[in-house]
Amino acid sequence: DGGITQSPKYLFRKEGQNVTLSCEQNLNHDAMYWYRQDPGQGLRLIYYSQIVNDFQKGDIAEGYSVSREKKESFPLTVTSAQKNPTAFYLCATGTSGRYNEQFFGPGTRLTVL
Amino acid sequence: AQKVTQAQTEISVVEKEDVTLDCVYETRDTTYYLFWYKQPPSGELVFLIRRNSFDEQNEISGRYSWNFQKSTSSFNFTITASQVVDSAVYFCALPYSGAGSYQLTFGKGTKLSVIP
Repeated sequence: DGGITQSPKYLFRKEGQNVTLSCEQNLNHDAMYWYRQDPGQGLRLIYYSQIVNDFQKGDIAEGYSVSREKKESFPLTVTSAQKNPTAFYLCATGTSGRYNEQFFGPGTRLTVL
Repeated sequence: AQKVTQAQTEISVVEKEDVTLDCVYETRDTTYYLFWYKQPPSGELVFLIRRNSFDEQNEISGRYSWNFQKSTSSFNFTITASQVVDSAVYFCALPYSGAGSYQLTFGKGTKLSVIP
């Protein structure tokens, strides 16, 4: 099946620990994105990547890091520097092009205890 | 400045009623696209429509229709004969201004509850 996989669906971590969220796609899309969603808020862009080995900061990149070593994968690490990491994280993919729609994965809900 | 405003935070309707979700945007681009996404309780965003600024004709897809008015910078979404399965949060989105930018600006969303 073609699609976007995010794992795990729910993640619990202690404060001060780094945690890595997985995003894998088999849609052969060049572009991949990470968004954060807080209750009652829209989506805010953390990082995005248009090609392998290249990525750009979004609006709220502080406290996060990414890598894009393969076209299919775009993992997001939430570091201990992120002051309020509890949120719903969504990964998206899309074909190259500014006006093309983005397709979203099922999301990971991260709770920091 | 790039901005998307969805002034309706929450709407409740009784099943079979029609409902319109408002979206007002600001952009300095002369050419642009607008998007609507649906987020059901499961959390995954579902793409509904992409519309370009050249075409102001209304778009209809089954019970869904969209009214794009460039003069008022609005891109409203109407669900006809609403159903319980339409209960979700709906987001309007607009690409960032400027060549080479691939980011989307999202509104804060409108939560629609359809009551049986």
